[in-house]
Amino acid sequence: QKEVEQDPGPLSVPEGAIVSLNCTYSNSAFQYFMWYRQYSRKGPELLMYTYSSGNKEDGRFTAQVDKSSKYISLFIRDSQPSDSATYLCAMAVDYKLSFGAGTTVTVRA
Amino acid sequence: EAQVTQNPRYLITVTGKKLTVTCSQNMNHEYMSWYRQDPGLGLRQIYYSMNVEVTDKGDVPEGYKVSRKEKRNFPLILESPSPNQTSLYFCASSTRPLAPVDNEQFFGPGTRLTVL
Repeated sequence: QKEVEQDPGPLSVPEGAIVSLNCTYSNSAFQYFMWYRQYSRKGPELLMYTYSSGNKEDGRFTAQVDKSSKYISLFIRDSQPSDSATYLCAMAVDYKLSFGAGTTVTVRA
Repeated sequence: EAQVTQNPRYLITVTGKKLTVTCSQNMNHEYMSWYRQDPGLGLRQIYYSMNVEVTDKGDVPEGYKVSRKEKRNFPLILESPSPNQTSLYFCASSTRPLAPVDNEQFFGPGTRLTVL
């Protein structure tokens, strides 16, 4: 079993919809939880990170962590075609990062 | 401009021919790492370095070597490449390995390696 599980999708939504992405994990030692966005043929870029259970907002993005359920989510409000990308969750403990497989999202104009 | 550069961007080689992928950052970051990305598997960490002369294995280090002689450079070495090392490789750097704050973590553009 992988330490981090993420549904690869693909996910297709109309412009303006809420995009909901999630990951589950098995290692309770994970200390930090991140979301990355990766456009085609580019390296990942860090979107958000958090280290505690609860919600964190940044503009149209909300990251949610539930440590008791070992479950993290990313919500994108008012989605735009420019949000079309692959979204990867990642978790860190000590000096190591573990990534999910990524979910490909397409926002239709 | 803050950036992580990798070279080459694309490489086709044959089994057993030693190769090096270079990675350089201009942000004076202490922490650097290498990942490979494969369909359905996401990014997997190969090696990381906490500072000059300090490196350690990630999740998939077999068949790879690294060195960190200078803070800005972190080359990935494949002594005897094999077809199962065909992949997309990313180098990354950050000020801290955990709790990357805002945009203090950067990934390079990637190196697509094919081993025949």
